[in-house]
Amino acid sequence: GDSVTQTEGQVTVSESKSLIINCTYSATSIGYPNLFWYVRYPGEGLQLLLKVITAGQKGSSRGFEATYNKEATSFHLQKASVQESDSAVYYCALSATNMGYKLTFGTGTSLLVDP
Amino acid sequence: DAGVTQTPRHEVAEKGQTIILKCEPVSGHNDLFWYRQTKIQGLELLSYFRSKSLMEDGGAFKDRFKAEMLNSSFSTLKIQPTEPKDSAVYLCASSGDISNERLFFGHGTKLSVL
Repeated sequence: GDSVTQTEGQVTVSESKSLIINCTYSATSIGYPNLFWYVRYPGEGLQLLLKVITAGQKGSSRGFEATYNKEATSFHLQKASVQESDSAVYYCALSATNMGYKLTFGTGTSLLVDP
Repeated sequence: DAGVTQTPRHEVAEKGQTIILKCEPVSGHNDLFWYRQTKIQGLELLSYFRSKSLMEDGGAFKDRFKAEMLNSSFSTLKIQPTEPKDSAVYLCASSGDISNERLFFGHGTKLSVL
């Protein structure tokens, strides 16, 4: 089946430092999945951070970027300079085209930004 | 700005009890989803409604799980009877775009079945 792997369960970064959260995927039943990053801020529900539906394209939002790398089957999340308000749990996910509700989520990466 | 509202936030039930979880989607959203989230299984789709009509019912969950959408602004998920393996976080989400590529989730209900 399809799967999403996030290797880091928890990441701690100092404020203003750069960040990479790793995400790789396997889409055996979907040829070209849509890729998403969802985020859960403390006290809030899950919300979409960014999505990319075309291989080779980059998505960006709130200073975060992720590039759909079909060859490496990766969709790493990056930010050049994190802020304390970025502390949250980040989930990488995939779905088939036009079926964005059938999401396969990774296990999540909890980001703590030290002030 | 009212997002998706789920109640209760926590529920503790004895094995065999009936519990009802509630969800209010974002106003104006036509699509509503119920999910179960566990560390082992990840996110599993339980039900999908479009304009109050049941589109998918998550196959494996038919027996004891029943979701209903009585009107466009309210949905319930009934689990009857509950079993310890039902302990999980139940998420409700809604969407206003036809491709459902931007979901809005509630805080979830954490269910513990003893």
